[in-house]
Amino acid sequence: RKEVEQDPGPFNVPEGATVAFNCTYSNSASQSFFWYRQDCRKEPKLLMSVYSSGNEDGRFTAQLNRASQYISLLIRDSKLSDSATYLCVVSPSGTTDSWGKLQFGAGTQVVVTP
Amino acid sequence: GAVVSQHPSWVICKSGTSVKIECRSLDFQATTMFWYRQFPKQSLMLMATSNEGSKATYEQGVEKDKFLINHASLTLSTLTVTSAHPEDSSFYICSASPSGGDTDTQYFGPGTRLTVL
Repeated sequence: RKEVEQDPGPFNVPEGATVAFNCTYSNSASQSFFWYRQDCRKEPKLLMSVYSSGNEDGRFTAQLNRASQYISLLIRDSKLSDSATYLCVVSPSGTTDSWGKLQFGAGTQVVVTP
Repeated sequence: GAVVSQHPSWVICKSGTSVKIECRSLDFQATTMFWYRQFPKQSLMLMATSNEGSKATYEQGVEKDKFLINHASLTLSTLTVTSAHPEDSSFYICSASPSGGDTDTQYFGPGTRLTVL
């Protein structure tokens, strides 16, 4: 079983619509959670951290459900420029040998269409 | 903002040659840098953690004699793929974590696309 699992998509979304997708993680002791965005053939870029209480950044809302071990990302009022692959990233338990060892999901592809 | 550069951005080489990839933190010092590899349609996989002034720690299954890492300064880490073969063709990405900061905060380089013929 993979440490971090995501639906690969693609999610085809009309411009202006809302799209949401989840990511599950296997390590219940995971400490930190992030959503990254990766454009084709480019490096990942941090979109937002995910906090226990849930958090919002403009049109993006992230939620964390520790009991069910998943995080979610919701994009409202989708723009064409939101087309990308969204990577779920988990930082495992806070032991010294796991510092910085981010675990990446394979990504969920979102395609926003005019 | 924190900027990390990688050089070269792409490289094509013949099987059996060695390729060196540089990762530089341009406006901050990084005691720790990380090297990842990403195959098409797959997730980034951590290869090794590079620590300034000490030996790198490699993830399980990554050959340390094949992927040589040197982190000689607080702003530069290099990854050398020795005797590269076609199966080493991949997208290699480094990240750097600012010294004194949270290691979960990592700034990624633009990646190096390696093609081995």
